Amino acid sequence: SQTIHQWPATLVQPVGSPLSLECTVEGTSNPNLYWYRQAAGRGLQLLFYSVGIGQISSEVPQNLSASRPQDRQFILSSKKLLLSDSGFYLCAWRRRGGYNEQFFGPGTRLTVL
Amino acid sequence: KQEVTQIPAALSVPEGENLVLNCSFTDSAIYNLQWFRQDPGKGLTSLLLIQSSQREQTSGRLNASLDKSSGRSTLYIAASQPGDSATYLCAVRPGAGGTSYGKLTFGQGTILTVHP
Repeated sequence: SQTIHQWPATLVQPVGSPLSLECTVEGTSNPNLYWYRQAAGRGLQLLFYSVGIGQISSEVPQNLSASRPQDRQFILSSKKLLLSDSGFYLCAWRRRGGYNEQFFGPGTRLTVL
Repeated sequence: KQEVTQIPAALSVPEGENLVLNCSFTDSAIYNLQWFRQDPGKGLTSLLLIQSSQREQTSGRLNASLDKSSGRSTLYIAASQPGDSATYLCAVRPGAGGTSYGKLTFGQGTILTVHP
């Protein structure tokens, strides 16, 4: 069976500090990968998606970047955090092709102070 | 641009009631629609996936219907239980040609509370 991991589970960072959130998927290969953010009072917003190693597409202009160094690893980064980067970050995966469900990880709660 | 709306925003019912959650979307050219459940502070759990060619899907006490032409989906929960308390989200995958790479557009969710 497939599982998706995210770490850390929670993170408190000062404004201006760097960020690295990691997501890994087990039990599948060549998945599509996604980063979403869920901010208080707002719905889930797609930030990045990736269809393969090194292939990243950004959905919204922002202070964040994403990378996919390995097939089942997806990393969300920032060089300098802003207060507005606070939120709940969710990684998701989906098997390629056809009518496939999207599955989500447990999320990372980021608080920028 | 696709917009997804969920009504009501919050719902409180006594245990045992049957209930309906609503989801509407502005662009009927969708590939599929997925219902999720989110418990406080947790990730999303997939409940049901309805393909654009389907009218409904069932899983246990859950039944989801899709009327693509009118841009509507409903999630029916039978014999509700306190354990059903959570936020329910619907999401649509846009595009009829499968070129959307699985990107989802989410509604704001319905917060459901089932009290004993």
